Amino acid sequence: DVKVTQSSRYLVKRTGEKVFLECVQDMDHENMFWYRQDPGLGLRLIYFSYDVKMKEKGDIPEGYSVSREKKERFSLILESASTNQTSMYLCASSLGRYTEAFFGQGTRLTVV
Amino acid sequence: EDKVVQSPLSLVVHEGDTVTLNCSYEVTNFRSLLWYKQEKKAPTFLFMLTSSGIEKKSGRLSSILDKKELFSILNITATQTGDSAVYLCAAPFSGSARQLTFGSGTQLTVLP
Repeated sequence: DVKVTQSSRYLVKRTGEKVFLECVQDMDHENMFWYRQDPGLGLRLIYFSYDVKMKEKGDIPEGYSVSREKKERFSLILESASTNQTSMYLCASSLGRYTEAFFGQGTRLTVV
Repeated sequence: EDKVVQSPLSLVVHEGDTVTLNCSYEVTNFRSLLWYKQEKKAPTFLFMLTSSGIEKKSGRLSSILDKKELFSILNITATQTGDSAVYLCAAPFSGSARQLTFGSGTQLTVLP
């Protein structure tokens, strides 16, 4: 079974802190994604990566950056957390260009 | 602009009812459409549809794609309380052709 693991289930951070969300997949998938999910807005793509050191902006990249130094690991970075970044963050990976994505369990981030 | 639109946004039914969830899409160079079920945690994959008119079935769930009219439906027969979830459809968008973009989801509530 594909396993996508996010480092934390729940996080509480203060405004202005730098926040790292880590995601690891164990199936040698090329593509990895970071989404945030908010009530009424569904899943919105923040960034994705299709190869090591490659990244592309999704729909809402402002305030975020990403890092993919190794194929299995994709990190989401909030440079200076703000309260409007309080959300559920979901990481996903997929093997091919048009295949299904597998999701991690999510990180619920609260910025106070 | 590529987009995925789901309807209805929410639905409340009683156990035993049959429901139909809708997903319409506008995607340049369409390749596939995917359905996911999300309970309290991460979305779990249900179906991937690539060919028009071919029904995919898993137990009480089934789905079909109409590439001419650009929509898909997800049917659930004899609903159970355990079917209560958000149902998401998604499609890989063109451009860099790697990003999987989701509709806003349909919140299904099945009452006993």
